[in-house]
Amino acid sequence: EVQLVQSGAEVKKPGESLKISCQGSAYSFTTYWIAWVRQMPGKGLEWMGIIYPGDSDTRYSPSFQGQVTISADKSISTAYLQWSSLKASDTAMYYCARLINDGLDVWGQGTTVSVSS
Amino acid sequence: EIVMTQSPATLSVSPGERATLSCRASQSVSSNLAWYQQKPGQTPRLLIYGASTRATGIPARFSGSGSGTEFTLTISSLQSEDFALYYCQQYNNWPALTFGGGTKVEIK
Repeated sequence: EVQLVQSGAEVKKPGESLKISCQGSAYSFTTYWIAWVRQMPGKGLEWMGIIYPGDSDTRYSPSFQGQVTISADKSISTAYLQWSSLKASDTAMYYCARLINDGLDVWGQGTTVSVSS
Repeated sequence: EIVMTQSPATLSVSPGERATLSCRASQSVSSNLAWYQQKPGQTPRLLIYGASTRATGIPARFSGSGSGTEFTLTISSLQSEDFALYYCQQYNNWPALTFGGGTKVEIK
C-alpha cells in the first residue's frame, strides 16, 4: 500500500527552529512530486510548495516563499518542511501529499505544530 | 494567481437528498480541477480529478462536471458518511495548486 508517514506532533516556542518529515513507502519516491499543505485551526487548505525528490527541484507558493524551506533526502524516501524561526501564526496542521498529474492522491496523516510561549 | 471560490460556505441537506456544490475559478483552468473530501479530524481524500473522473474507490453517487471557470460537485443521495467538508483545487496553473475555501455539508 502506498503510504506517506509523517513525523509526530510538535510543541515549540516562538523563535525556535523545527523540521518535520514525510516518509514515502511502496512506490518510487523519486518520481513523484511531494506537496506540503497547511491547515490552520478551523480553516481551509493552503498549498505551501512542492518538491521533486529525484532532483530536489522545489517550487514555493508566493505566500510561503522565504517563510519555510522544503527539502528531501531521496536515499531514505523522505521529504521535509522546516522553519528557522517559528511564530505563533505557524500553529497549524501540516500535511504532505503525493502529487500526480491530476491532483493529490495520497496524503500523510498530518503533523500538528503548536507554537506558544 | 488564480483564485478559487466555493459556494455556498455551508449546505444543509437531509439524508437521501441531492447536494450540489459549486466552485468558480477566477480564470480558466480547463478541466484541471480536483475535489477533495475532509471529514472532521481526518486527512483530505481525493474524490474527483480532471473535473469529472472519480478517483479509485469513490462511490458513483459522487459526480463532477464543468470546465473553464465553473465546476460542480454533485452528491446524488447523501449518506451519513458524506457529511463533511469539500474542497476544490485547480492544478492548471502548475506549480500553483490553489484550493477553494471549502463547503461544509451538514445535516439538515
